[in-house]
Amino acid sequence: EVQLVESGGDLVQPGESLRLSCAASGFTFSTYEMNWVRQAPGKGLEWVSYISDSGSTIYYADSVKGRFTISRNNAKNSLYLQMNSLRAEDTAVYYCARGQIGFDYWGQGTLVTVSS
Amino acid sequence: QSVLTQPPSASGTPGQRVTISCSGSSSNIGDNPVNWYQQLPGTAPKLLIHSNNQRPSGVPDRFSGSKSGTSASLAISGLQSEDEADYYCAAWDDSLNDSYVFGTGTKVTVL
Repeated sequence: EVQLVESGGDLVQPGESLRLSCAASGFTFSTYEMNWVRQAPGKGLEWVSYISDSGSTIYYADSVKGRFTISRNNAKNSLYLQMNSLRAEDTAVYYCARGQIGFDYWGQGTLVTVSS
Repeated sequence: QSVLTQPPSASGTPGQRVTISCSGSSSNIGDNPVNWYQQLPGTAPKLLIHSNNQRPSGVPDRFSGSKSGTSASLAISGLQSEDEADYYCAAWDDSLNDSYVFGTGTKVTVL
């Protein structure tokens, strides 16, 4: 069974950093592209970042470019999102999602709250 | 803000057919496959349609997708109470530094 489990969400102050993790199981992680998608409270979905299966190709949404860094460790079946210089508008549930054309599996999400 | 526009709401009675539109541009829908996601209250999104009109395994054939030019549509036929959810279209956009864009979302209510 495919499973994606996010962790690392927390309450942080503006300007602080946080690292999210996504543990994958039930499939050959190293052969799949991965993404981070977020959803602010009561709002719609916003794609955050993409990483290819090897990690050689990475894309970011303009809203996080220069502040967030996506990475993966295929040996540990894990996806990461390093978030620096956090802002109030980064408050959201963050989901990891598998795929490139259609995101066919999603985690349950982890909540990041940025507030003073 | 989203570059894919959807109506904020749609509704129907059980058994009816409901259609949701998604309007984009040549750099996203016009040039890339469209996907649709269903998000039930309090849960993670679920892939409903990929590559314009393909249903993943397990998705009922009541759900169908289509695309024409820079617009796409999701149709739900034989509406059921469990279809009450938020629906989002999505596609890659070639003009925004290879960004994946979601639609504004449509809340479907079963009356």
